[in-house]
Amino acid sequence: NAGVMQNPRHLVRRRGQEARLRCSPMKGHSHVYWYRQLPEEGLKFMVYLQKENIIDESGMPKERFSAEFPKEGPSILRIQQVVRGDSAAYFCASSPMELPQGDRLFFGSGTQLSVL
Amino acid sequence: AQTVTQSQPEMSVQEAETVTLSCTYDTSESNYYLFWYKQPPSRQMILVIRQEAYKQQNATENRFSVNFQKAAKSFSLKISDSQLGDTAMYFCAFIIQGAQKLVFGQGTRLTINP
Repeated sequence: NAGVMQNPRHLVRRRGQEARLRCSPMKGHSHVYWYRQLPEEGLKFMVYLQKENIIDESGMPKERFSAEFPKEGPSILRIQQVVRGDSAAYFCASSPMELPQGDRLFFGSGTQLSVL
Repeated sequence: AQTVTQSQPEMSVQEAETVTLSCTYDTSESNYYLFWYKQPPSRQMILVIRQEAYKQQNATENRFSVNFQKAAKSFSLKISDSQLGDTAMYFCAFIIQGAQKLVFGQGTRLTINP
C-alpha cells in the first residue's frame, strides 16, 4: 500500500505564475488535509477536504489559494499569482476517517515551493 | 487561542545519552490528543508517540516516552539510548476532540553526535 504521494517534490515558480500541488491519498482514505510549513516553523493547518467537499478552510488565505478533492483523481492545492511569501513546504496528509478517533493520519513528503 | 510552545530551538547530545524535549500547550478544552512527530532531512513527518489527555498513564514506545502533566499543560518527550538516526526536527502537536486540525509547535532541532 503506497503512502501519501505528493508531486512535484520541488516546484519553482516566478512571481505572478500559478502553482498546482498534487496529493494522492493512501488507498481507502477519503479525508485529506493540507498544511504549510514556513522556514524554521511548525506546520500550519490550511484546509480539510473530503471527496468533492471542502469541510474546513479556516487556515486558507482568503485570496489566491484554493483546494479541491474531486471524485476521481488527486487533491489539488492551487496558488494563483504566487508571491515570494508563498515559498514554503506544503504537506498533504490523509486519513481513512475523521480525526482524532481514527488517529491514522499519514503525511506525504511535501512539496517545496520556491518563488523567484 | 490554541498554541503549542517548544522552548528549545536546538539540542545536541552524544550517542547513547538520554535527552528530553520540552513542550507546553494552551487550550481551554479538556478532551484532546497530544503527539510528537519526527521530521528527518527527508522532510517526511513521522509519528513518534501519541497520548490521550484522558489517560493518566504516560505513553511509551520503545526508547521514546512522554511525561504528560495535564494540569501544567506540559508534554515532554524523553528519548533513551539516543541513536544517530534520531537526528531530526521534532514537533509537538495536539488536536481537540471533534476537531480536524493539528496545532503544531515551532519544533526542536535535535542532533545526536557520534
